[in-house]
Amino acid sequence: DTGVSQNPRHKITKRGQNVTFRCDPISEHNRLYWYRQTLGQGPEFLTYFQNEAQLEKSRLLSDRFSAERPKGSFSTLEIQRTEQGDSAMYLCASSLGGSGNQPQHFGDGTRLSIL
Amino acid sequence: GESVGLHLPTLSVQEGDNSIINCAYSNSASDYFIWYKQESGKGPQFIIDIRSNMDKRQGQRVTVLLNKTVKHLSLQIAATQPGDSAVYFCAENPDQGGKLIFGQGTELSVKP
Repeated sequence: DTGVSQNPRHKITKRGQNVTFRCDPISEHNRLYWYRQTLGQGPEFLTYFQNEAQLEKSRLLSDRFSAERPKGSFSTLEIQRTEQGDSAMYLCASSLGGSGNQPQHFGDGTRLSIL
Repeated sequence: GESVGLHLPTLSVQEGDNSIINCAYSNSASDYFIWYKQESGKGPQFIIDIRSNMDKRQGQRVTVLLNKTVKHLSLQIAATQPGDSAVYFCAENPDQGGKLIFGQGTELSVKP
């Protein structure tokens, strides 16, 4: 399968713990995006990278959230000191770069549940 | 604030009928729009896109119409099949950057 891959698919953790998610984009895509989706809502943009550079961060991305893409390939999203409100589906997408007018292709997400 | 919204939260159609899903957007500067299909437990799946210099684009069984005058987008699905049952989202790119702004979604239910 050459689509966007996200791991783990599910993560259950206690409030206050740190969690890290991984995203492997489609290999030739140089843009990588993170979104958050809660039940019944559309995905909400968090941040995106073009190659290694993080170009935009949403105000949704509090100081407890950090994302990296150190070699311009896979990316990680870390949430520190998790809170109940962090429970959501975290989606990763990738696209060919250059402009925003390229379709973003999504993975199947990591579902985070905070106990 | 800026938003992309859908007129109907649910749509039920008979198998074989055509489906039309509507979307209103508020940012007149948006120049790129995408429709996604999302099945339960999966990520959004790209269906079709359209740029603001077009008013219609066709794919396999799907057509997207863009009316910039009234800031309205629609997705037409021909000969709807049970496998088309899912939640459909429209999304806009408001500033030629990376982020997409998604609407709330329309749940399409296809009755056999």
